[in-house]
Amino acid sequence: GQQVMQIPQYQHVQEGEDFTTYCNSSTTLSNIQWYKQRPGGHPVFLIQLVKSGEVKKQKRLTFQFGEAKKNSSLHITATQTTDVGTYFCAGANTGNQFYFGTGTSLTVIP
Amino acid sequence: DTGVSQDPRHKITKRGQNVTFRCDPISEHNRLYWYRQTLGQGPEFLTYFQNEAQLEKSRLLSDRFSAERPKGSFSTLEIQRTEQGDSAMYLCASSFVGTYGYTFGSGTRLTVV
Repeated sequence: GQQVMQIPQYQHVQEGEDFTTYCNSSTTLSNIQWYKQRPGGHPVFLIQLVKSGEVKKQKRLTFQFGEAKKNSSLHITATQTTDVGTYFCAGANTGNQFYFGTGTSLTVIP
Repeated sequence: DTGVSQDPRHKITKRGQNVTFRCDPISEHNRLYWYRQTLGQGPEFLTYFQNEAQLEKSRLLSDRFSAERPKGSFSTLEIQRTEQGDSAMYLCASSFVGTYGYTFGSGTRLTVV
């Protein structure tokens, strides 16, 4: 079955530092989504990437899809306490369902 | 309010009992998904519907699990003869064909004792 791994599993940063999480798939993906889950909450959709090498930005968040469409990254510039949560990538191949990664839990220290 | 409603929010049941959860998706969404999430893990795909048709079911899903979506509106997920390993958060999500992203509900937390 499809496997999507993320690293690191946990990340603690000082407020204002940058943060990056990496997502790797065992198979080529048709597209990839990113979600944020706050502690005690449910996943909230952030963005979808479709094209090889695609880069999208949302304010301080930069999302990238690898050229081979097997990896992706999320980079947050100058973290804030509101960025706290677990960030999941979710990849799809030929089907319509997305397989979620293991997640990266971000803690921001004020 | 995300627009996807799940009921109940919490369910405690004894091992061996049957449980049923309900999901009401966003009304105009024609796709509905069930995921299961345990502590520290990402959501695990269970099954999904397009309208009333169940199009895919995880091969990892036990025969004790069944889902329905009559009339393409709300969906139910039933677990028969619950086991302690079934304890998890059961998440429902919906989407509309041709749009990006799932909208998740707040989930039903199942505890099997």
